Amino acid sequence: DAKTTQPNSMESNEEEPVHLPCNHSTISGTDYIHWYRQLPSQGPEYVIHGLTSNVNNRMASLAIAEDRKSSTLILHRATLRDAAVYYCILRDRGNTPLVFGKGTRLSVIA
Amino acid sequence: DTEVTQTPKHLVMGMTNKKSLKCEQHMGHRAMYWYKQKAKKPPELMFVYSYEKLSINESVPSRFSPECPNSSLLNLHLHALQPEDSALYLCASSQEPGSWTEAFFGQGTRLTVV
Repeated sequence: DAKTTQPNSMESNEEEPVHLPCNHSTISGTDYIHWYRQLPSQGPEYVIHGLTSNVNNRMASLAIAEDRKSSTLILHRATLRDAAVYYCILRDRGNTPLVFGKGTRLSVIA
Repeated sequence: DTEVTQTPKHLVMGMTNKKSLKCEQHMGHRAMYWYKQKAKKPPELMFVYSYEKLSINESVPSRFSPECPNSSLLNLHLHALQPEDSALYLCASSQEPGSWTEAFFGQGTRLTVV
């Protein structure tokens, strides 16, 4: 699996947007970009994924750079419940499971 | 029902005990996974089952023995564990093993080996 680089930690104020960056300079053309998050004392949960185009769902938006070497997960209005570790994961088109990197620990301040 | 159910939630076992962790999903998913997570670390992949057959074993010691009795159930049999095996064990499932499918995780079993 191609590697991803994320900041160890980030902090956000409640009700403000959060931009979580992920660098993946060695991404291949068939790698999907997945984001998962893990809230305290819970299993990871799916957030969003994309290949080339920007993606939106009810939880977040995923902005993918034109060269695909980086992406940004956008939480439009952070809440206290969004405090979690966010993982950016690359998966190729083949039969590959999720392999987690270190992720970014997001703290949300009231 | 989008749940992956793991039992028990907590388990304390001695180094000579034999115990099993259970994972169940009723979403019709054909891929199931075991992960191990130590405190403050990311989950580490242990095993992957695809269509009830073991497809990936990430060089896990034989004291961990997975089993997939049917498409809804995944077990992890534990025998002669060491204290360093204490961790959160997570089960996950996905519709297919491929990269386009979302994985659903259980809440985990917190295992303590004494």
